[in-house]
Amino acid sequence: DTGVSQDPRHKITKRGQNVTFRCDPISEHNRLYWYRQTLGQGPEFLTYFQNEAQLEKSRLLSDRFSAERPKGSFSTLEIQRTEQGDSAMYLCASSSRDRGAEAFFGQGTRLTVV
Amino acid sequence: AQSVTQPDIHITVSEGASLELRCNYSYGATPYLFWYVQSPGQGLQLLLKYFSGDTLVQGIKGFEAEFKRSQSSFNLRKPSVHWSDAAEYFCAVLLNAGGTSYGKLTFGQGTILTVHP
Repeated sequence: DTGVSQDPRHKITKRGQNVTFRCDPISEHNRLYWYRQTLGQGPEFLTYFQNEAQLEKSRLLSDRFSAERPKGSFSTLEIQRTEQGDSAMYLCASSSRDRGAEAFFGQGTRLTVV
Repeated sequence: AQSVTQPDIHITVSEGASLELRCNYSYGATPYLFWYVQSPGQGLQLLLKYFSGDTLVQGIKGFEAEFKRSQSSFNLRKPSVHWSDAAEYFCAVLLNAGGTSYGKLTFGQGTILTVHP
């Protein structure tokens, strides 16, 4: 068990550019979540996958955001036409399907839009 | 909508002193409750969780938390703080919807703990 892995750890991009983040969950976990954390705040839920199906999306996930989990394993989060307000830590977590199972978090991707 | 409140944004304690971090939640039923810790630039690590049963739960690193239904609280405690405990602490709730809950967590805004030597 290598834990939840996120890549890259840091990303600096110019406003208007597209960025893509990757998350590799714990291998036996079929549930995967994306959260966003801005400075001084707790993480906020963005979206949830069960296997390859995206079952819930937060209103925070505007049309510029898209997430995929094509084979039910790793996931990608893409932000198109980045804005300065997108600067945040993007956290990925995974859990098993057990009721109330603990979510294990990755170390996050810190995005800075300049 | 469910919400989580951590009234203390920043707490400073001396090493060896006791610690209590407050957490209140707003939800119609008893949710699943969690405390996570986050070191700077890192992800979140689970300290402990409460689902049901004994209202005093023990976690890792010597932490414990007590669920009080009447106060809608789930406060985190540690009898003697170590310098390595300096970090940010988040209380979180998980919607318990008839057994079909999944891991969508609602977090408080966090409490930053500073430990003086």
